[in-house]
Amino acid sequence: KAGVTQTPRYLIKTRGQQVTLSCSPISGHRSVSWYQQTPGQGLQFLFEYFSETQRNKGNFPGRFSGRQFSNSRSEMNVSTLELGDSALYLCASSLKTGYQETQYFGPGTRLLVL
Amino acid sequence: AQSVTQLGSHVSVSEGALVLLRCNYSSSVPPYLFWYVQYPNQGLQLLLKYTSAATLVKGINGFEAEFKKSETSFHLTKPSAHMSDAAEYFCAVRAHSGGYQKVTFGTGTKLQVIP
Repeated sequence: KAGVTQTPRYLIKTRGQQVTLSCSPISGHRSVSWYQQTPGQGLQFLFEYFSETQRNKGNFPGRFSGRQFSNSRSEMNVSTLELGDSALYLCASSLKTGYQETQYFGPGTRLLVL
Repeated sequence: AQSVTQLGSHVSVSEGALVLLRCNYSSSVPPYLFWYVQYPNQGLQLLLKYTSAATLVKGINGFEAEFKKSETSFHLTKPSAHMSDAAEYFCAVRAHSGGYQKVTFGTGTKLQVIP
């Protein structure tokens, strides 16, 4: 069974540009969530999508957006990049059945903004 | 507002000793609580999740955590540490806030296992 795939794995952009990151969840998982990890701010929750709808979101500015497609693949977009957006962006896919939840993370996309 | 406090950014234990990683949370509504592990240069992995079904939660790799509402704690334990347990551990709380479920992570605890 294939794991969570994130592309690209590494990315270098300059300030003011925009970037799109992709996440392919585990087959059968309909929930995808995104997280940002930086040395200074630690782990922060960005948003969660389920069946193409944003269900939950964190406290990030509107420059951070996402979407989910009918095949559950998700994309995250960051517009007008700032130096502080340099981070490891993690995607996770989840399968929830009652109280049980299995969640698997991808390897992340490391974004460097120059 | 919700928050998570992990006491001790670094914890060292001897191989075979008890592992105890502390997590205290605050939440104005009943929360879901999580422990995650991140091995060096790897992604995150969900260790266990508390959902109110049972206060003692068993996770993978022999870890367990107990939810104590009166102490607002969700400490992670393992009876006997293995070298392979060396990693960074994150506690997280997920609760409803402003119409959404928000997830807040602790700052992490790096576990060192001494042979």
